[in-house]
Amino acid sequence: EAEVAQSPRYKITEKSQAVAFWCDPISGHATLYWYRQILGQGPELLVQFQDESVVDDSQLPKDRFSAERLKGVDSTLKIQPAELGDSAMYLCASSLMSSVNEQYFGPGTRLTVT
Amino acid sequence: AQSVSQHNHHVILSEAASLELGCNYSYGGTVNLFWYVQYPGQHLQLLLKYFSGDPLVKGIKGFEAEFIKSKFSFNLRKPSVQWSDTAEYFCAVNSREAAGNKLTFGGGTRVLVKP
Repeated sequence: EAEVAQSPRYKITEKSQAVAFWCDPISGHATLYWYRQILGQGPELLVQFQDESVVDDSQLPKDRFSAERLKGVDSTLKIQPAELGDSAMYLCASSLMSSVNEQYFGPGTRLTVT
Repeated sequence: AQSVSQHNHHVILSEAASLELGCNYSYGGTVNLFWYVQYPGQHLQLLLKYFSGDPLVKGIKGFEAEFIKSKFSFNLRKPSVQWSDTAEYFCAVNSREAAGNKLTFGGGTRVLVKP
């Protein structure tokens, strides 16, 4: 069964450092999502791509976070500089289209900022 | 803005007991409703979904949920739980009117089933 791939699975970084996460969606899925899940809370959408275009980045802290999906396939989420409050699980999901379709989630990257 | 509330943060029960997890959403328009589950060490996966039609939805592993529009609720149920149902359960909503497919999640309910 096809899965969403994410790497790394775990990342520990010091505050003020840069960190990047990678996501490879299920083949053929045009829509890609990055969510942040703080411990004890549900996931919150950071950014949504339709192919290579950003559809929704209203909750992305753009002063330090950036996301790209240059060829409309895999995607990178970057934080620079990292802050203590960025410690969370970063989840990637994909769906066939941006209309109502099931979102398939990857295993996530657990970020700890020290 | 839409929001989702899950009333119980933690539930502990014994095998064969019945389970019901509450979910209420706040949104005035038409919504699609989902329950996701996250087993220990695994990623989020879809348990069941409601788009339209019969408000009683059956999902995988014996779970079902009932959409009650007048109460803005989408409660999850299972008549007899097993130890393997130990997991965290998330209710989620998206708006049919809004562009995109953004999911708004509740805070989750951790369920522990004692053998």
